[in-house]
Amino acid sequence: DSGVTQTPKHLITATGQRVTLRCSPRSGDLSVYWYQQSLDQGLQFLIQYYNGEERAKGNILERFSAQQFPDLHSELNLSSLELGDSALYFCASSPVLGTVYGYTFGSGTRLTVV
Amino acid sequence: DQQVKQNSPSLSVQEGRISILNCDYTNSMFDYFLWYKKYPAEGPTFLISISSIKDKNEDGRFTVFLNKSAKHLSLHIVPSQPGDSAVYFCAASANQAGTALIFGKGTTLSVSS
Repeated sequence: DSGVTQTPKHLITATGQRVTLRCSPRSGDLSVYWYQQSLDQGLQFLIQYYNGEERAKGNILERFSAQQFPDLHSELNLSSLELGDSALYFCASSPVLGTVYGYTFGSGTRLTVV
Repeated sequence: DQQVKQNSPSLSVQEGRISILNCDYTNSMFDYFLWYKKYPAEGPTFLISISSIKDKNEDGRFTVFLNKSAKHLSLHIVPSQPGDSAVYFCAASANQAGTALIFGKGTTLSVSS
């Protein structure tokens, strides 16, 4: 157990629907990151939060949004889902903004859009 | 445009031999590099890192080498063990600028006994 909790582990939904993925960071970590891993792709950075504030955006589609709440858990909202959104979505956390301590990853949410 | 490239999708090595995984990057602002290991159905786990002020970092059987002029780093595993079979991701960041980690596509290492 890495200490980063992601729910649900699996999600199957239809095209056009909206889903919410949840992440609880490791205790004491202030930064949360979301990554997408599609088939044949590496981990694509989506978005970063630090202590409730958005800090950086990567390749995140406009149909996707996220937020970090006062208790530091984060949610990734995916709307108007398309088949191509099927992927593993990872959340990671770190104690600080930088990467010196690395990131701790959760075990991911596997999203299947049918 | 991929800023971190792992050009070998897979690598097969015999137990006891050396495994060398390679990674190239294009962004000269990157100053911190990490390797992660990922088993099926699990999230990536941190393996070893190196700062751009160094050219080598060792941790047990794992050594990372950084060649800044070539924008190239490599991970050496000696000796390789069957339990090392996993996907290895190279990642980089412009740490001083506080950017998030950018990952390569990964290399699947298979160690046979």
